[in-house]
Amino acid sequence: DAGVIQSPRHEVTEMGQEVTLRCKPISGHNSLFWYRQTMMRGLELLIYFNNNVPIDDSGMPEDRFSAKMPNASFSTLKIQPSEPRDSAVYFCASSLEGSEQFFGPGTRLTVL
Amino acid sequence: AQSVTQLGSHVSVSEGALVLLRCNYSSSVPPYLFWYVQYPNQGLQLLLKYTTGATLVKGINGFEAEFKKSETSFHLTKPSAHMSDAAEYFCALENSGGSNYKLTFGKGTLLTVNP
Repeated sequence: DAGVIQSPRHEVTEMGQEVTLRCKPISGHNSLFWYRQTMMRGLELLIYFNNNVPIDDSGMPEDRFSAKMPNASFSTLKIQPSEPRDSAVYFCASSLEGSEQFFGPGTRLTVL
Repeated sequence: AQSVTQLGSHVSVSEGALVLLRCNYSSSVPPYLFWYVQYPNQGLQLLLKYTTGATLVKGINGFEAEFKKSETSFHLTKPSAHMSDAAEYFCALENSGGSNYKLTFGKGTLLTVNP
């Protein structure tokens, strides 16, 4: 299995631009998680889906952030408009019924 | 509310020395506990986990951790450090039962191994 796939691996954009991060979970997994990692705040859960349905989005920082999971094999995290304070590494993870979460390699986002 | 506290943001050991990374937790229900490792520019990888049963849990790469309910601790140890163990380590908690699969992570401990 290829593991959790995230794209792009690096993204540099200017303040105000829309950013879309993509994630392909491991085939057969039914839970998907988006995390943000920064030096100041550590690893934070933004949102998680179970069977493609958002279960808890209480970690989404603002309305500028939105996430979708249109099917079992794809999810997006969108930031519109982006701000410099959104600069972080964003991880996607997937699991099967609450078992071990498998993390993707992350997307390093820099907003200038 | 549940929380995870990792004591020491940076631990430095010599190669061959004992590794001890500390983790304490707070939870109102019996927790599931995890240790993850993150190598530079990579995602997190599970080292070991405790759910129920034996309180001493063995993981990959020679690591182990002991769940101590009375101390609300889940410290990670390895008898002899190797250079390849240099990484950041995260302790995490999940509430047992139900369908809530959320993990609460500690701030992480950066392990440096000196030759």
